[in-house]
Amino acid sequence: QKEVEQDPGPLSVPEGAIVSLNCTYSNSAFQYFMWYRQYSRKGPELLMYTYSSGNKEDGRFTAQVDKSSKYISLFIRDSQPSDSATYLCAMSEGAGSYQLTFGKGTKLSVIP
Amino acid sequence: GAVVSQHPSWVICKSGTSVKIECRSLDFQATTMFWYRQFPKQSLMLMATSNEGSKATYEQGVEKDKFLINHASLTLSTLTVTSAHPEDSSFYICSASPLAGVHGGLYEQYFGPGTRLTVT
Repeated sequence: QKEVEQDPGPLSVPEGAIVSLNCTYSNSAFQYFMWYRQYSRKGPELLMYTYSSGNKEDGRFTAQVDKSSKYISLFIRDSQPSDSATYLCAMSEGAGSYQLTFGKGTKLSVIP
Repeated sequence: GAVVSQHPSWVICKSGTSVKIECRSLDFQATTMFWYRQFPKQSLMLMATSNEGSKATYEQGVEKDKFLINHASLTLSTLTVTSAHPEDSSFYICSASPLAGVHGGLYEQYFGPGTRLTVT
């Protein structure tokens, strides 16, 4: 079983829809959870950063972490065509280790 | 804030030659920099971790003599692909962790725009 599982999609939604992206993981030592957005042929851009369990909101984006279920989510409200990209979840154990373990990414297309 | 640049953005080289890729943190100091490679439709695969002034730590299966990493300062790391071959063609991306988190976290990584290497 891979450490981080993420449905690769592709996921296609109409403009204005609510998008739900998810990752599951097996390593209970992960404490830091991140979501990155990557446009084609570009480096990943940090969207959300969460420590431990709970919710975090930033504009149209909400990140949720449920450590008991080893499950994280990213919600995008009022999706826009400019949100079309690949979304990668990433996790770190912290405790002095800066290494990230990435999911494979979910490709999202928001149709106007 | 938290901008990372890479140079060049795209390079074509002949088989057997060496290529150097630079990674710079422009508006922050980075304790640690990372080098990844990414194949089409695949996620990022960590190649090595480098800390300023010390030797890089390579992931299993990554040849340290082929992928030379130098982390000369808190804002600059370089990756040199030596004796490049067509199978080294890939998208190479660096990232940097700031001394103090920009989003308030200690374990943030900020990525460069990537370098596309094509070896002919």
